[in-house]
Amino acid sequence: GDSVTQMEGPVTLSEEAFLTINCTYTATGYPSLFWYVQYPGEGLQLLLKATKADDKGSNKGFEATYRKETTSFHLEKGSVQVSDSAVYFCALSDRVQGAQKLVFGQGTRLTINP
Amino acid sequence: NAGVTQTPKFQVLKTGQSMTLQCAQDMNHEYMSWYRQDPGMGLRLIHYSVGAGITDQGEVPNGYNVSRSTTEDFPLRLLSAAPSQTSVYFCASSSSGLAEYNEQFFGPGTRLTVL
Repeated sequence: GDSVTQMEGPVTLSEEAFLTINCTYTATGYPSLFWYVQYPGEGLQLLLKATKADDKGSNKGFEATYRKETTSFHLEKGSVQVSDSAVYFCALSDRVQGAQKLVFGQGTRLTINP
Repeated sequence: NAGVTQTPKFQVLKTGQSMTLQCAQDMNHEYMSWYRQDPGMGLRLIHYSVGAGITDQGEVPNGYNVSRSTTEDFPLRLLSAAPSQTSVYFCASSSSGLAEYNEQFFGPGTRLTVL
C-alpha cells in the first residue's frame, strides 16, 4: 500500500538557520502531497500542498516541490523562527471510492532555539 | 464557525470499560474520519464516512465502532478498552467535491489513557 517516510527527529536548530525536513513516498497512481503542522496542544493544520508533479507548495516561508522522479516532497525554509517549533507531518492523499484518505509519515519534531 | 470539535479532551479508562469519543463539525462536510496518533507512527486512519449512513474501515479499525446518523456528528466507540488503545485521537472533516484535493480540517484531539 501507499506509504510516507520522513526524516527522523527530533531536529533542533538555532533561529535564522536553514531548515530541510526530508520526505519520500511510495504510491500507486498520482497522489496529492501535503505538509501538516501540529503546534503544542493543538490539532493538525495544513501548511502547504501540491497536487501534481513539479508543483511547488508554499506558505509562511515554507516551500516543498513535488518531485515525481525521486518520489520526494522535502520541506524547506530559509530562516526559521522560534514560533516554527512544532511537529511536522508529510502526507499523501489517496482517493478511494470517492473518499479522500490521508497517509501520514511518522512526524518530525522541530525545536528552534533563540 | 466552531469548525471540528471533539469531546472530551482527556479521558482515563480501565481495561474493559466502554466509552464514546464525540466529534462534531459545523461546516456541512460530507467526509469525516477518525485517526489515532502514536509516538513514532504518525496518524493512522481508524474509520471514515463519506456521508450520513455510510461508513467504512481504515487501516486500524479493530476494537472501534462508528456510525453516522447525521452530517454533523461522527462518534467513535470503544466497546471494551485495552491498554493498546492508549493514544491521541483526532477527528477530521472535509467536503467531498470533485476537486483534486479537499482540505481536511482537524479537531483538537482527545487524549485517552487505558489502564
